Amino acid sequence: AQSVTQLDSQVPVFEEAPVELRCNYSSSVSVYLFWYVQYPNQGLQLLLKYLSGSTLVKGINGFEAEFNKSQTSFHLRKPSVHISDTAEYFCAVSEPNTGNQFYFGTGTSLTVIP
Amino acid sequence: DVKVTQSSRYLVKRTGEKVFLECVQDMDHENMFWYRQDPGLGLRLIYFSYDVKMKEKGDIPEGYSVSREKKERFSLILESASTNQTSMYLCASSLAGQSSYEQYFGPGTRLTVT
Repeated sequence: AQSVTQLDSQVPVFEEAPVELRCNYSSSVSVYLFWYVQYPNQGLQLLLKYLSGSTLVKGINGFEAEFNKSQTSFHLRKPSVHISDTAEYFCAVSEPNTGNQFYFGTGTSLTVIP
Repeated sequence: DVKVTQSSRYLVKRTGEKVFLECVQDMDHENMFWYRQDPGLGLRLIYFSYDVKMKEKGDIPEGYSVSREKKERFSLILESASTNQTSMYLCASSLAGQSSYEQYFGPGTRLTVT
């Protein structure tokens, strides 16, 4: 089974500053990688996913993530954050032929400060 | 748009009560999942189902059971609720066949057991 580590439980950042949320996973086997966002009192919404091909993936709301196989990482970035980006962010991993079972990280709470 | 709905947003139950959490999806997805979300622990898989009347244990099935009598509906049952089952419960669904398919989440049910 995969283990997914989100190194930062809380990240405060000023509005319009860049942000990086870190995600590492345990196994170097072929994986699919996802970032989800959870706004207060809501369910999870897909931000972006990496399945294959280009290691730089662009998602909704100006977010992007880079897959690094040698470092087993999939860090999420945004060049300029808005107040509305305040939310909980979850990294998730699935492996081929496992019936779509996801392994989630513990989440990173992003707070954007005006 | 995929829609996953959960029967209640907030629920308060007493210790020892039998609790039913209902989840319905409208996209004809084969896979359905129940997670619980706790601060600092992220999402943990309780049970999942690949088809009607099929169920598989996740990482934390103890104290829970599930029912899937119709493809669109997946119920989580707490046979005898306890205070340590106070949590946010999230339902998700996805297409079958590929681990690359994203999971779609409902808004969650915040359950308090007193």
